[in-house]
Amino acid sequence: EIVLTQSPGNVSLSPGERVTLSCRASQNVARNYLAWYQQKSGQAPRLLMYGASIRATGIPDRFSGSGSGTDFTLTISRLEPEDFAVYYCQHYVHMPPSPLTFGGGTKVEIK
Amino acid sequence: EVHLLESGGDLVQPGGSLRLSCTASGFTFTDYAMTWVRQAPGQGLEWVSAISPYGNYIYYTPSVEGRFTFSRDNSRNTLYLQMHSLRAADTAVYFCAKNFGEGLAFYDSWGQGTLVTVSA
Repeated sequence: EIVLTQSPGNVSLSPGERVTLSCRASQNVARNYLAWYQQKSGQAPRLLMYGASIRATGIPDRFSGSGSGTDFTLTISRLEPEDFAVYYCQHYVHMPPSPLTFGGGTKVEIK
Repeated sequence: EVHLLESGGDLVQPGGSLRLSCTASGFTFTDYAMTWVRQAPGQGLEWVSAISPYGNYIYYTPSVEGRFTFSRDNSRNTLYLQMHSLRAADTAVYFCAKNFGEGLAFYDSWGQGTLVTVSA
């Protein structure tokens, strides 16, 4: 089972700033099967990225993903007020023979 | 538009049982695998169980194996999560989620969640 470690745990920033979130895997992530989700307080998660760098439908281009192997990043180029939330990475596979894993999350707070 | 609506969450005593439902609309239900993900209060996301489009393959996280049963009724576009022998550690918001495709296990639509509280 791949363990995903996200950093930082929390970050405080102002609207308009740039932020880069990290997701490190304990083993190689084959085919860049890495997704990112955004979760606002009291809401369900929302898919942002998959395949490490492919934006999901309707996701603005200020969100970008990169990385391969064991190191992945999610970058928000200019924070908008609605971007303050918790972000999770997830390693995925084809229908799983074993449990899937999410990272512990990074909370992006307004400074 | 895809819509997923969970129901059935409640307060239940340790050792009790509960059945969650998730009704889907806005997509061809039988084209997609579906999944339950839970989130304990103040915690992160935990994958619970997944089911193939016609229910012939079902997978569980080890902590619920033998206690939870995931099923689907494709005639009703509805998922069910039957939970037995509930423990305090099962306390969480349970989300149903639509897999991106038949096989890839990431989720492009989520329900709003239903809260299960296991407490005496």
